Amino acid sequence: NAGVTQTPKFRVLKTGQSMTLLCAQDMNHEYMYWYRQDPGMGLRLIHYSVGEGTTAKGEVPDGYNVSRLKKQNFLLGLESAAPSQTSVYFCASSYLMRGGDLEQYFGPGTRLTVT
Amino acid sequence: KQEVTQIPAALSVPEGENLVLNCSFTDSAIYNLQWFRQDPGKGLTSLLLIQSSQREQTSGRLNASLDKSSGRSTLYIAASQPGDSATYLCAVRPRNTGGFKTIFGAGTRLFVKA
Repeated sequence: NAGVTQTPKFRVLKTGQSMTLLCAQDMNHEYMYWYRQDPGMGLRLIHYSVGEGTTAKGEVPDGYNVSRLKKQNFLLGLESAAPSQTSVYFCASSYLMRGGDLEQYFGPGTRLTVT
Repeated sequence: KQEVTQIPAALSVPEGENLVLNCSFTDSAIYNLQWFRQDPGKGLTSLLLIQSSQREQTSGRLNASLDKSSGRSTLYIAASQPGDSATYLCAVRPRNTGGFKTIFGAGTRLFVKA
């Protein structure tokens, strides 16, 4: 049981390049999330998904796209990277607990630098 | 708009000390509050989750309390150890955003000196 895994762990992009970050979970969780973490700030939600084939915008969705074609995978795409997207990206998944609560499980993060 | 604040931003204590980390939030309409630990260069590990109907949760040397009416939570760490050194984040799940969004504080960076 690997939990939540992220690929790649590190990446350096030039401005204008594109890339896709992959998140995979093996816990059969319905809900998946992408966050970014910047120095001195809490995690901010980029996009999330409440099930296979669905996606929704979070707090800071501009410049990113996502897809959830399979329940276990959640992809985050940057079509034209900008230096402002330099950050650490975290994926998380959660399940609906008894009583309606959602407890999130996080991946190890992807450190992205855009030059 | 829900905002989460953690004070202090950083804390350094000698080994063995009992300590309290503070978290405040602006809107009491929440589903739950969760405390996480983050080690440098790593992801987040869930420590405790307090449902909105609960007042506290305990796990080992950790005890978290929740006072929704005042918008506060505290994480109490007993008999601190160097291995407790990490950043501690609190996060709330607001009721007025459909329940799927989580708002995080910026964290308290803890250093426990041997």
